Amino acid sequence: AQTVTQSQPEMSVQEAETVTLSCTYDTSESDYYLFWYKQPPSRQMILVIRQEAYKQQNATENRFSVNFQKAAKSFSLKISDSQLGDAAMYFCALGIQGAQKLVFGQGTRLTINP
Amino acid sequence: NAGVMQNPRHLVRRRGQEARLRCSPMKGHSHVYWYRQLPEEGLKFMVYLQKENIIDESGMPKERFSAEFPKEGPSILRIQQVVRGDSAAYFCASSPQTRELFFGEGSRLTVL
Repeated sequence: AQTVTQSQPEMSVQEAETVTLSCTYDTSESDYYLFWYKQPPSRQMILVIRQEAYKQQNATENRFSVNFQKAAKSFSLKISDSQLGDAAMYFCALGIQGAQKLVFGQGTRLTINP
Repeated sequence: NAGVMQNPRHLVRRRGQEARLRCSPMKGHSHVYWYRQLPEEGLKFMVYLQKENIIDESGMPKERFSAEFPKEGPSILRIQQVVRGDSAAYFCASSPQTRELFFGEGSRLTVL
């Protein structure tokens, strides 16, 4: 069975600072994907960043980057230069067989302090 | 290019009634997925469909829930004889293949 654990129910950061959200996962599959989704108050799920397990290089999308530690089964999200619009729930997700069946963590609520 | 369209956005039903949620995938996408989000929880996989076929329904409750994706028209998630525990946000997602899901804005079901 696949599991995803986000151990930080809530995080807060000052605007313009950097914050890291933690995620650990467990799977016996060798081929999988990892995702971070953002869910703002509008409740739409927005893909932030994606990492293929076979790639050693950490994915980066503008101010968002990940620290993918495959052996430790860890997949943290770093948000640099935090902006007020980054405030949202952030969900880590594990995808087996591509993204057919995503397993989501419980989420981390991120607050940005002006 | 329109995104994944879900309707209704909000649906209120009384216990015992039926709920029907619709999802039109993005243009060119042939894979549709339904997820359920209970309050203060992450999304949980329900079912994966392609046109006229249910590929994986391992997350669907055994009773009262069904899903279809006909050759023409939207995908439909149907919940019969709703109970209060069915109150949740139901998200549809689509993909052109299996690498990335594009989510709709969700349908929020409230059962009175």
